[in-house]
Amino acid sequence: QLQVQESGPRLVKPSETLSLICTASGGSIRSSIYYWGWIRQSPEKGLEWIGNLYYGGTTYYNPSLKSRLAMSVDSSKNQFSLQLRSVTAADTAVYYCARQGGEQGDIDAFDLWGQGTLVTVSS
Amino acid sequence: DIQLTQSPSFLSTSIGDRVTITCRASQGISSDLAWYQQKPGKAPKLLIYYASTLQSGVPSRFSGSGSGTEFTLTISSLQPGDFATYFCQQLNYYPYTFGQGTKLEIK
Repeated sequence: QLQVQESGPRLVKPSETLSLICTASGGSIRSSIYYWGWIRQSPEKGLEWIGNLYYGGTTYYNPSLKSRLAMSVDSSKNQFSLQLRSVTAADTAVYYCARQGGEQGDIDAFDLWGQGTLVTVSS
Repeated sequence: DIQLTQSPSFLSTSIGDRVTITCRASQGISSDLAWYQQKPGKAPKLLIYYASTLQSGVPSRFSGSGSGTEFTLTISSLQPGDFATYFCQQLNYYPYTFGQGTKLEIK
């Protein structure tokens, strides 16, 4: 059963770069039928879609974050990553990685989620 | 961006009650709407996609309807495990957006 889990620093200083990795286990992230996404959640903003990427490298970013955002995939490690530059306290949130599409690519929703990781931006 | 407005934001209900949550979109999104359930400290769990298709393994007391700008999630008879927060999400346009959530609490 495919599972995904987020990892990375829990504390990031203001103006630095937030970096997270999502690692898949029990299956491969290589697929032409679904996307991988990042979503974050904070009390102030609620659930916020950050962006999606396709294992081939195509990305779709939230315009509100696009200027600071980079997402990439490392299929050899069965991982994909998120980098958010120049963070502020407003970027403090629980960050989730998730799959959009379902095993057969017929589910237009995020059907598989990681457990989430709280990242705090503070000096 | 598409704005999704859920109502109510909070609902005090009892086991066995029938509950309906509404999600209104600021513009038409066809049927590209999903519903999630979230419990404290957990990731959202997909309940319904394409507005009315039940995700595998989700109990049949959950149902969804609607298209265009108005959608509903109905729980036919609340069970103890259903007290949680529910979110809608539109996937018709980038950027994907979520509703603000509806929290169900035990009366």
